[in-house]
Amino acid sequence: DAGITQSPRHKVTETGTPVTLRCHQTENHRYMYWYRQDPGHGLRLIHYSYGVKDTDKGEVSDGYSVSRSKTEDFLLTLESATSSQTSVYFCAISDPKGEGYEQFFGPGTRLTVL
Amino acid sequence: SQQGEEDPQALSIQEGENATMNCSYKTSINNLQWYRQNSGRGLVHLILIRSNEREKHSGRLRVTLDTSKKSSSLLITASRAADTASYFCATGTYKYIFGTGTRLKVLA
Repeated sequence: DAGITQSPRHKVTETGTPVTLRCHQTENHRYMYWYRQDPGHGLRLIHYSYGVKDTDKGEVSDGYSVSRSKTEDFLLTLESATSSQTSVYFCAISDPKGEGYEQFFGPGTRLTVL
Repeated sequence: SQQGEEDPQALSIQEGENATMNCSYKTSINNLQWYRQNSGRGLVHLILIRSNEREKHSGRLRVTLDTSKKSSSLLITASRAADTASYFCATGTYKYIFGTGTRLKVLA
């Protein structure tokens, strides 16, 4: 998967608890993204980063925060998890320069909030 | 709201047949991309077509783009059971918007 790992791959947690998902890349790509995938909605962008400490909101950012202190790591935090955040979360990277705008995806994290 | 909407939502064909899926989008674009997702896996990039291109080929894939209609189509020729997957279109340069996908099932 183009040098992208996500951890954990599966997590079950309870409503109200904080959760942090990690995305790690070895490709030195500038852009990193967090998406959630739900039936009937496709992939929806939560947050993305265009460099260390540079982040921006996506379509469904409420209830989520992100941090990027190193090029290779992008963390997604649910400060207080809710059942509506039960989903599959995908990290992606891209390096939009020249002709290349494609995104490379990680394997996903399945999160269940009880 | 979704920028890209795929049509049909689901498609079932016999091996060897062609599969066509369509994507409509709402705003002007620089490029449009198609991705495949096998069950339980991350998405894999298939092909990118730029706004000044009308057609692009890659192996058994043919993509068309009609910017006047804000639509694109993905044709998979001589389909195989291994093509069974969900297919998504995506638009954007730095901030991407994905459609809801077409679930393709190819029967052996």
